[in-house]
Amino acid sequence: KAGVTQTPRYLIKTRGQQVTLSCSPISGHRSVSWYQQTPGQGLQFLFEYFSETQRNKGNFPGRFSGRQFSNSRSEMNVSTLELGDSALYLCASSLVPHNEQFFGPGTRLTVL
Amino acid sequence: QKEVEQNSGPLSVPEGAIASLNCTYSDRVSQSFFWYRQYSGKSPELIMSIYSNGDKEDGRFTAQLNKASQYVSLLIRDSQPSDSATYLCAVGLEGTGNQFYFGTGTSLTVIP
Repeated sequence: KAGVTQTPRYLIKTRGQQVTLSCSPISGHRSVSWYQQTPGQGLQFLFEYFSETQRNKGNFPGRFSGRQFSNSRSEMNVSTLELGDSALYLCASSLVPHNEQFFGPGTRLTVL
Repeated sequence: QKEVEQNSGPLSVPEGAIASLNCTYSDRVSQSFFWYRQYSGKSPELIMSIYSNGDKEDGRFTAQLNKASQYVSLLIRDSQPSDSATYLCAVGLEGTGNQFYFGTGTSLTVIP
């Protein structure tokens, strides 16, 4: 069974731009969560989607948004990029909420 | 504030020894507990999940949970150099959907 896939794997953007990251969960998994990982803050929860609905959102500004499609694929968008948004963005899928989460390889975003 | 704490290490053990990794959490409504392994430059990989008090064994790994003491640990028996990685403790809380709270991780080095 294929794992979680994320595209693109690497991104370089400049301040003020926006970016869209994509995540395809494991087949059959309906819950997708997004995390930001930085050396200073570790893994921080961004938001969670289940059945196309955002169920939970972490403590991030409104520039961070996401959505989930009917096939459970998810996208996250960051608008008006700031230098501090440079991080590894990880997507994790689970069969249903409260279940084990499996991470994708991540998207490494660098903001210049 | 929900906190998950781990000793950052580094923890060094000789090959073949038992490595013991510890994690404490502050929120008493924590209901699910996970250990992830993360190699440098890679995404977290799920090792174990544990939901009830006691021990859970999977191969060389044993997770131990004590909810009264708000403590979860991971034992790695017969440690191998390939076990050298950062180990992340994650906690899921009742009522927060699929939001996991992560510790900052313990760096483990297994010395051949």
